[in-house]
Amino acid sequence: GESVGLHLPTLSVQEGDNSIINCAYSNSASDYFIWYKQESGKGPQFIIDIRSNMDKRQGQRVTVLLNKTVKHLSLQIAATQPGDSAVYFCAERTSGSRLTFGEGTQLTVNP
Amino acid sequence: EAQVTQNPRYLITVTGKKLTVTCSQNMNHEYMSWYRQDPGLGLRQIYYSMNVEVTDKGDVPEGYKVSRKEKRNFPLILESPSPNQTSLYFCASSLWGDSGNTIYFGEGSWLTVV
Repeated sequence: GESVGLHLPTLSVQEGDNSIINCAYSNSASDYFIWYKQESGKGPQFIIDIRSNMDKRQGQRVTVLLNKTVKHLSLQIAATQPGDSAVYFCAERTSGSRLTFGEGTQLTVNP
Repeated sequence: EAQVTQNPRYLITVTGKKLTVTCSQNMNHEYMSWYRQDPGLGLRQIYYSMNVEVTDKGDVPEGYKVSRKEKRNFPLILESPSPNQTSLYFCASSLWGDSGNTIYFGEGSWLTVV
């Protein structure tokens, strides 16, 4: 399944499928990008990050892709599990530690 | 254990009654910030502080005040709360300029203003 940036804030996938969550960022000067996961009733948790001099970075079951030309960021989750159900935020850093967050995408994994 | 602690976690208050949400971190971080989270708007920064006695406005500072008299504490003050300040608030801390994987968030404070 695939979300379409900020205009589709929900994504529903079947367990075991791959998920793709998209994010459009605003500032071409941003040098660092992060994906956070937020479970219900909790604060955001770091998932993966990428610097602006990279196009792709992989973690455990997650991959982040950065397309600076169109200012687009995506998070790919392989073999999505019920425990992956959460809201996912992208964030961009423009200076120092200041982060600007996207509105988030609610990912629901159906068993 | 490294943590950011917010209090209260849940609060219902009335319009105009001053309140303070406390935030404390035990990691000796220079940078602390407050965010509010609203449906469809994501996390928006209210105020941030780069160090003791240094604070600055974020994206939505109206109606809020902060102070940073000690490195570990960064209270959020609502002098005269209004219903549009009903929201979920998060405090966060990190080393200044550090990477996103070492930004620590508190567990959130649910505030309702009636």
